[in-house]
Amino acid sequence: QVQFVQSGAEVKKPGASVKVSCKASGYSFSTYAIHWVRQAPGQRLEWMGLINAGNGYTKYSQRIQDRVTITRDTSASTAYMELSSLRSADTAIYYCARAAKQLVGDSYYYYMDVWGKGTTVTVSS
Amino acid sequence: DIQMTQSPSSLSASVGDRVAFTCRAGQSISSSLNWYQQKAGEAPKVLISAASTLQSGVPSRFSGGGSGTHFTLTISSLQPEDFATYYCQQSYSTPWTFGQGTKVEI
Repeated sequence: QVQFVQSGAEVKKPGASVKVSCKASGYSFSTYAIHWVRQAPGQRLEWMGLINAGNGYTKYSQRIQDRVTITRDTSASTAYMELSSLRSADTAIYYCARAAKQLVGDSYYYYMDVWGKGTTVTVSS
Repeated sequence: DIQMTQSPSSLSASVGDRVAFTCRAGQSISSSLNWYQQKAGEAPKVLISAASTLQSGVPSRFSGGGSGTHFTLTISSLQPEDFATYYCQQSYSTPWTFGQGTKVEI
């Protein structure tokens, strides 16, 4: 079955960087994009960006685009999200999720169909 | 960014109740609206895509409707496993945005 295994919890100091991995299995990695979404304690989900696992095209949220980098290693079926210049507000659970689409009439609609279990990143001095 | 607003923020209900909650988009998003269920300590799970398409394996007591700026999620007969937080999310344009969630409590 389709699943994602994310890397373990991280504790970082303000100003540091963190890199979270998301290893896919159960499908052809290069045929889907992968999204990254985070959730700070008690907050709504926040979309961070996506990567087309086939051609490496990325799209980032403008809120964090100067600090986030999403990459992938197709040989390892793994996507990565690196966030730099960490601050306390970056304390959150970080999820990867597969991009899915469906055809309704002559229009495509997009959603996230399979999610990783999340990686907790804590930023604290 | 397209703002998504859910109401109510929380509701109390009993097993067997019919419950419905709404999601409003700050601009028209056609039918580019998805609903996710998140239980405590778990990742979100997609229930409905494209406003009204029930995902495989999701019980038929869940249904979604609406288009444009106003959307609804209905649970026809609440079950114990349905107590969770529900989020709407627009995929009309990036950045994809989520509502603040509706928490369904006993």
